[in-house]
Amino acid sequence: NAGVMQNPRHLVRRRGQEARLRCSPVKGHSHVYWYRQLPEEGLKFMVYLQKENIIDESGMPKERFSAEFPKEGPSILRIQQVVRGDSAAYFCASSPTARADTQYFGPGTRLTVL
Amino acid sequence: SQQGEEDPQALSIQEGENATMNCSYKTSINNLQWYRQNSGRGLVHLILIRSNEREKHSGRLRVTLDTSKKSSSLLITASRAADTASYFCATVPTGANSKLTFGKGITLSVRP
Repeated sequence: NAGVMQNPRHLVRRRGQEARLRCSPVKGHSHVYWYRQLPEEGLKFMVYLQKENIIDESGMPKERFSAEFPKEGPSILRIQQVVRGDSAAYFCASSPTARADTQYFGPGTRLTVL
Repeated sequence: SQQGEEDPQALSIQEGENATMNCSYKTSINNLQWYRQNSGRGLVHLILIRSNEREKHSGRLRVTLDTSKKSSSLLITASRAADTASYFCATVPTGANSKLTFGKGITLSVRP
């Protein structure tokens, strides 16, 4: 029983490059959430997706950030033209239903922008 | 602004002592959850308490919820060095989808 998998675990990018973060939810889970954790901070909600649909993107920055959860394959969080302020840990969580009590978190991707 | 605000921000205790952590929130909620995060790792779900519940136990964990004061507490009894971690409360607001709103967390250090 694999839990939520995220890769890469660590990602280093230079300013202006693109970062692609992948999340494979728990098998059978069709709801995915992305959160960002800045140093010494709690997690901040970014986006909630169901297969092929963005349900809530109220926490996503207006520019450079996008997310998808295709019918097949992992969910992708994409950050274009990264800046130093994007350096953070990005966590993905999944749940089996829309109003499930518990979200299962992945180990996170730590993005460092040089 | 933060929905969940924990206090204290940091707590250092001796092994065997009890640790009490508090969380306050602003809006009405469906449920409140506590998570643990070991340094550099992902989050582990500890316990969930629903808005119509007042107290819940799970092993050495005891969580209370006071919806009139919009506050919750997490008690870890007989602490162990392995309990050293950051602890976060997270809420699901009433009527919202399941997105969680986290506080900044409490850093707990348990000295052996």
